[in-house]
Amino acid sequence: GEDVEQSLFLSVREGDSSVINCTYTDSSSTYLYWYKQEPGAGLQLLTYIFSNMDMKQDQRLTVLLNKKDKHLSLRIADTQTGDSAIYFCAESTSNSGYALNFGKGTSLLVTP
Amino acid sequence: EAGVAQSPRYKIIEKRQSVAFWCNPISGHATLYWYQQILGQGPKLLIQFQNNGVVDDSQLPKDRFSAERLKGVDSTLKIQPAKLEDSAVYLCASTKSLLAINNEQFFGPGTRLTVL
Repeated sequence: GEDVEQSLFLSVREGDSSVINCTYTDSSSTYLYWYKQEPGAGLQLLTYIFSNMDMKQDQRLTVLLNKKDKHLSLRIADTQTGDSAIYFCAESTSNSGYALNFGKGTSLLVTP
Repeated sequence: EAGVAQSPRYKIIEKRQSVAFWCNPISGHATLYWYQQILGQGPKLLIQFQNNGVVDDSQLPKDRFSAERLKGVDSTLKIQPAKLEDSAVYLCASTKSLLAINNEQFFGPGTRLTVL
C-alpha cells in the first residue's frame, strides 16, 4: 500500500499533553485508526475515526482529522508513564478489503 | 469472549528450514488477516481470508510463503525455506466481516520468529 508517515520518537513529561502526528496518502481511506503496542504485547486498538468526521474525543484521547491535508493526529491529555509505548497510525479502504496499512510507529516516552 | 489465539509464541530456526504458525480467530469472525511486523516497522499485510477464500495475497512472497484456512476457521501460515530476512513477528487478526461497522480488527499476541 501507499506510505503512512509518522515521526519516530516523542518524549514528554508526565502530566503534559502528547501529540502524535500521522500523514496518510490514500484519499479513499474509509477509517483511520490509532493502535498502541507495548513491549512484548500485541496491538491494542485505542480509537478510530471515520473519514467524514473532523474530530473524535474519547476520555483522554482526541483525534483530529484534516482530510484536505491527509493529516491525522492523536492527542493524549495528562500523559502518564503507563502511556509509554509505540503508537501506530493505520488506514483502511474498501479497495483493499479493509486490510490495515500501518505507519512505522511513533515511540512515546513519558518521563516523571 | 476469547481473543485471537496464536502458537507458538516464539520460534527459532536456521535458514532454509521450514516453519508453520497457527491462528485461531475469535469465534464467528469471518475475516482473517496475517501480518508481518519486522523490528522497528509497522505490520504489513501478507494475506487476507474471507471464510475459506483468499481476498488478497498480493504481498505474500509465494515462492516461500503459503497460507490456508481450509474450514474457514483456523489458519496456518508456512514458510519454506526460511531466509534471514523472515525474522519478524507474525500477527494474526480477525474481524466479524468485511461489512462490519468500523471493521475493528482484533490482534493475537503474535509469533516471534528468529531465523539464524
